[in-house]
Amino acid sequence: QKEVEQDPGPLSVPEGAIVSLNCTYSNSAFQYFMWYRQYSRKGPELLMYTYSSGNKEDGRFTAQVDKSSKYISLFIRDSQPSDSATYLCAMSASGGSNYKLTFGKGTLLTVNP
Amino acid sequence: KAGVTQTPRYLIKTRGQQVTLSCSPISGHRSVSWYQQTPGQGLQFLFEYFSETQRNKGNFPGRFSGRQFSNSRSEMNVSTLELGDSALYLCASSSRQADTQYFGPGTRLTVL
Repeated sequence: QKEVEQDPGPLSVPEGAIVSLNCTYSNSAFQYFMWYRQYSRKGPELLMYTYSSGNKEDGRFTAQVDKSSKYISLFIRDSQPSDSATYLCAMSASGGSNYKLTFGKGTLLTVNP
Repeated sequence: KAGVTQTPRYLIKTRGQQVTLSCSPISGHRSVSWYQQTPGQGLQFLFEYFSETQRNKGNFPGRFSGRQFSNSRSEMNVSTLELGDSALYLCASSSRQADTQYFGPGTRLTVL
């Protein structure tokens, strides 16, 4: 079993839809959870960062972490064509002095105008 | 503040050759990590350097090596290239205060 599982999609939605992206993980030591967005031929761009369980909102984006279920989610409200990209979840057992991220394989999202 | 820069952006090599990739972190960031991204395996951690010392290493063969200089710039080297080494190689930097990483645009390596 991979440490981090993420549905690769592809996911296609109409403009304005609410998008839900999810990852599950098996390593209970993970405490730091991130979502990255990667456009074609670009490096990943940090979208959201959450420590431990709970919700975090930033504009149209909401990240949720449920450590008891080992499940994290990213919600995108009022999706736009510019949101079309690959979304990667990433996790770390510790921050600070241990910068090793374990990634999901990414979900390809297309938002159609 | 300038982001993470990587050179070269594209590289074509043949099997058996070696290659060196370069990464300049965000100013003030002392931690540099390297990742390999392929369609089949996704993003996989190679190694991480802090203050010129390798602190973490992923599950890659010894053909993959790296180093960090006193100005925090980093290089990674791949010797005896194989076709399977074709990938996007990403560098990421972090500051002491941050618990996450910021990525560069990557170097796309093609091995023929």
